[in-house]
Amino acid sequence: DGGITQSPKYLFRKEGQNVTLSCEQNLNHDAMYWYRQDPGQGLRLIYYSQIVNDFQKGDIAEGYSVSREKKESFPLTVTSAQKNPTAFYLCASSRADALWRGQFFGPGTRLTVL
Amino acid sequence: AQSVTQLGSHVSVSEGALVLLRCNYSSSVPPYLFWYVQYPNQGLQLLLKYTTGATLVKGINGFEAEFKKSETSFHLTKPSAHMSDAAEYFCAVSLVSGNTPLVFGKGTRLSVIA
Repeated sequence: DGGITQSPKYLFRKEGQNVTLSCEQNLNHDAMYWYRQDPGQGLRLIYYSQIVNDFQKGDIAEGYSVSREKKESFPLTVTSAQKNPTAFYLCASSRADALWRGQFFGPGTRLTVL
Repeated sequence: AQSVTQLGSHVSVSEGALVLLRCNYSSSVPPYLFWYVQYPNQGLQLLLKYTTGATLVKGINGFEAEFKKSETSFHLTKPSAHMSDAAEYFCAVSLVSGNTPLVFGKGTRLSVIA
């Protein structure tokens, strides 16, 4: 079955540590996205990538970094520079040439800073 | 720039009653419009979408939405609420032209009372 996987589902981090969230898709989608979700704030775009080896900052990129070395993978690193990283993180993908199909989402990773 | 406003962060209805979740958008060009549903601690699932053609679109689980260009609205309705409809609902907009990520509203949490 095609889809998007995110791992781990739950992640705990000590203050000052970097942590990487995994996102993999086998839908053959060109575009991939990372969102952060906080209660009452909806989804906020962190980074997105429309093609391998290229990515753009979203609305809240500070304190985060990404890479896109393979079409299937778009890992997100939450760095120690991110002041308040506790949140629910969602990865999504879409066909870059068919936006009318919408975006498909993974199950999410809940990050908690201890 | 595009934007989405969802009126009401929390809507409560009785089981069997009409569900109406409001969404207004702002876009300088014709948009694609989407409704997503999110159950607790899960990713987002596409409920329905408007691209072109018929302005009344039907989605999964008995939901439908009507695109009204003159009112810049895309409200979500369901004639009879079921307990399983309790979830968070997000409206999103994307430009027909260009290659930009979806812009999401802040979400509306639907509670269904027995």
